[in-house]
Amino acid sequence: DMKVTQMPRYLIKRMGENVLLECGQDMSHETMYWYRQDPGLGLQLIYISYDVDSNSEGDIPKGYRVSRKKREHFSLILDSAKTNQTSVYFCASSLYWGVAEQYFGPGTRLTVL
Amino acid sequence: AQRVTQVQPTGSSQWGEEVTLDCSYETSEYFYRIFWYRQLFSGEMVFLIYQPSFDTQNQRSGRYSVVFQKSFKSISLVISASQPEDSGTYFCALSELDYGNEKITFGAGTKLTIKP
Repeated sequence: DMKVTQMPRYLIKRMGENVLLECGQDMSHETMYWYRQDPGLGLQLIYISYDVDSNSEGDIPKGYRVSRKKREHFSLILDSAKTNQTSVYFCASSLYWGVAEQYFGPGTRLTVL
Repeated sequence: AQRVTQVQPTGSSQWGEEVTLDCSYETSEYFYRIFWYRQLFSGEMVFLIYQPSFDTQNQRSGRYSVVFQKSFKSISLVISASQPEDSGTYFCALSELDYGNEKITFGAGTKLTIKP
């Protein structure tokens, strides 16, 4: 069963704390993505990873960094979280970038107090 | 400026009717793709259909089809025989290849309600 998983599903942090969001996929997809979704807006691309250690900034990378050391795992890190990073974060994967549909994880709801 | 625009923030239809959701976009690339996704009330995002720019034929997948007007940079999602389970928020997304990188832009979505 093809699947993208995200951990944790819900997270509450205080401003200034570090945040680690994890994403996994079992489809051997090359490309993985991190998005955030705010109320009334579509998804905004934070980072895209084309394969292990091959990451590229999306539209809103400021305040975020990523790590991909294994093809099946893609992490999003917020160093010293800010209140305006409160959002729902989605991870996605696709077989090849630019040509295939994306499979999405269930999302992580992050609240930064 | 919005690069992907979905002018209908909400929409509704009766069970069994055909539904059309509109999307317009801006791009200077020759090769691009438009994807349609539905977000369920649970938050899950589901892929529906996509249209490559180089294909002049409107794509179809089950009850979903698109009307692709490339010269107008416009694409509509058509859902035939709509059902209450089709309710949700529909997003179109533009995928472009920009200097070897993929650039993806989502519209703000159209929240659709299908009434029984």
